[in-house]
Amino acid sequence: KNEVEQSPQNLTAQEGEFITINCSYSVGISALHWLQQHPGGGIVSLFMLSSGKKKHGRLIATINIQEKHSSLHITASHPRDSAVYICAAPPGGGADGLTFGKGTHLIIQP
Amino acid sequence: NAGVMQNPRHLVRRRGQEARLRCSPMKGHSHVYWYRQLPEEGLKFMVYLQKENIIDESGMPKERFSAEFPKEGPSILRIQQVVRGDSAAYFCASSPDRAQPQHFGDGTRLSIL
Repeated sequence: KNEVEQSPQNLTAQEGEFITINCSYSVGISALHWLQQHPGGGIVSLFMLSSGKKKHGRLIATINIQEKHSSLHITASHPRDSAVYICAAPPGGGADGLTFGKGTHLIIQP
Repeated sequence: NAGVMQNPRHLVRRRGQEARLRCSPMKGHSHVYWYRQLPEEGLKFMVYLQKENIIDESGMPKERFSAEFPKEGPSILRIQQVVRGDSAAYFCASSPDRAQPQHFGDGTRLSIL
């Protein structure tokens, strides 16, 4: 079974700062997901990536398959980026669905 | 092109009642996943369905919970004889196939009185 670990658990930063959230997993996977959840809100899928790097606006996601590690970066952070960011991976062993990290609570202060 | 639609957004039930949660996948998506998010906990996989078939229900509690995805209409997650511990946010996701990204709905917040 895949163990998905995220760090940090909580992160408070000032507007404009460069943000990095890390994710590691224990079982080799085909692709990893980064999700965003606002308090009391729905879940938005930000990225699904299987190698290298993807960029969407101010968000960048990278993955190193050999090291079983992924990072989510936010450039020029803004208060509206405040949310929980969740890393998710297939559970492994042919099982279905996703296994989720506990999430990183990000607060960007103006 | 509507996203994944879940209803109701909020559902309140008394202990012992039944709860029915609905999920309409995105157009063209035949794969549906249900996840549960308990208060102060992470998301957990419950069940994976394709049209008219349950593919993987390894995350479903053995009793009181059932899911279906009929040929016509939305996927339904049904919880019978609800208890306080069933209070959670239930999210549905859909994808066109196993290898594609899952798109999530806004969830149903279930509260048990």
